[in-house]
Amino acid sequence: DGGITQSPKYLFRKEGQNVTLSCEQNLNHDAMYWYRQDPGQGLRLIYYSQIVNDFQKGDIAEGYSVSREKKESFPLTVTSAQKNPTAFYLCASTPGQPNTGELFFGEGSRLTVL
Amino acid sequence: GNSVTQMEGPVTLSEEAFLTINCTYTATGYPSLFWYVQYPGEGLQLLLKATKADDKGSNKGFEATYRKETTSFHLEKGSVQVSDSAVYFCALFSSNTGKLIFGQGTTLQVKP
Repeated sequence: DGGITQSPKYLFRKEGQNVTLSCEQNLNHDAMYWYRQDPGQGLRLIYYSQIVNDFQKGDIAEGYSVSREKKESFPLTVTSAQKNPTAFYLCASTPGQPNTGELFFGEGSRLTVL
Repeated sequence: GNSVTQMEGPVTLSEEAFLTINCTYTATGYPSLFWYVQYPGEGLQLLLKATKADDKGSNKGFEATYRKETTSFHLEKGSVQVSDSAVYFCALFSSNTGKLIFGQGTTLQVKP
């Protein structure tokens, strides 16, 4: 079945460590997104990529990095520079041509910093 | 910049009650508007959408009408069920930026 796979579902990290969250899609979608979800704050955009080898910062990019070397994959690295990384992270994709804003979401990764 | 504001939750209703969740937006140009739903422990899924003024989106008994004059996209359902308990997000998409911007979400709890 086509869809978006995020892994791991749960992740624990010690302070000062970098961690990479995986997002893979087999929908042949051009655009991919990373959102962060915190209680009472909704979803905030971290990074997005509309085509391979190109990505843009969202509203809260500081302390995060991404790459888009393949159409199917858009990994997110949470670096030690991110001051409050404990959150639920959601990856999404959309066909992109044209981009209508109709996103398909993965099931999320919950990161806890100990 | 573009933004979306939703009514604060949580909203608690009895089964078969009428639901309204308010959503207003600020945007330049002609955005598309969406409602997404998140069931416990899951990612988000599209509930309904409207792409231009006066369009009505509908799905699973939910409806919302794109009102440009009041910059609103309120979600309604005539008779809620326990299975509708979830978090509902209003969102705005601008083709100029390629970004989908979400409201803060409204938690709905329906009691039998």
